[in-house]
Amino acid sequence: LAKTTQPISMDSYEGQEVNITCSHNNIATNDYITWYQQFPSQGPRFIIQGYKTKVTNEVASLFIPADRKSSTLSLPRVSLSDTAVYYCLVEENYGQNFVFGPGTRLSVLP
Amino acid sequence: DTAVSQTPKYLVTQMGNDKSIKCEQNLGHDTMYWYKQDSKKFLKIMFSYNNKELIINETVPNRFSPKSPDKAHLNLHINSLELGDSAVYFCASSQGSGRYYEQYFGPGTRLTVT
Repeated sequence: LAKTTQPISMDSYEGQEVNITCSHNNIATNDYITWYQQFPSQGPRFIIQGYKTKVTNEVASLFIPADRKSSTLSLPRVSLSDTAVYYCLVEENYGQNFVFGPGTRLSVLP
Repeated sequence: DTAVSQTPKYLVTQMGNDKSIKCEQNLGHDTMYWYKQDSKKFLKIMFSYNNKELIINETVPNRFSPKSPDKAHLNLHINSLELGDSAVYFCASSQGSGRYYEQYFGPGTRLTVT
């Protein structure tokens, strides 16, 4: 089974760029990496998904190095409303199983 | 309109009881999931159903049984509840199974076993 690790918490200030890294030591060649955001008392919400190199959407970027043993979620110019827990999700066996990381609690300060 | 809904939102019950949590999605998705989030906020997949077939079954106790009457519903039935079952249970759905597909989560059901 894939084992994923993330920093427990991070602090940032409004307007800064935040990078959160997830380590996934034995991800398989074709497994995808997905990131979710969770606010208190809500279900997780999809942010971005990638397979290799770089993916960008309207809210975030995802960087995946060639060895794919880690991935970095980049949030540009965070605001107070970005305070949440961020989870990486790694699929296994071509999507037959999913493993969430332990989550990173991001606190954005004014 | 709510995409993935769960009932009840809160459930408090005593050890040994049997309870069910209901989940419905109106997105027309083919796959539905159940996740457990413990007190440390760790999320772990329990089950998923695709076209009424169980396609993932994590090593959860057989006291937990998913039931899907149709593609839009996946209910979770728990027998002989234990203290350790206290957690938040999330239902989710996706257009297909596995890779490529974004999962949409419900608001969660907080189960407290006393």
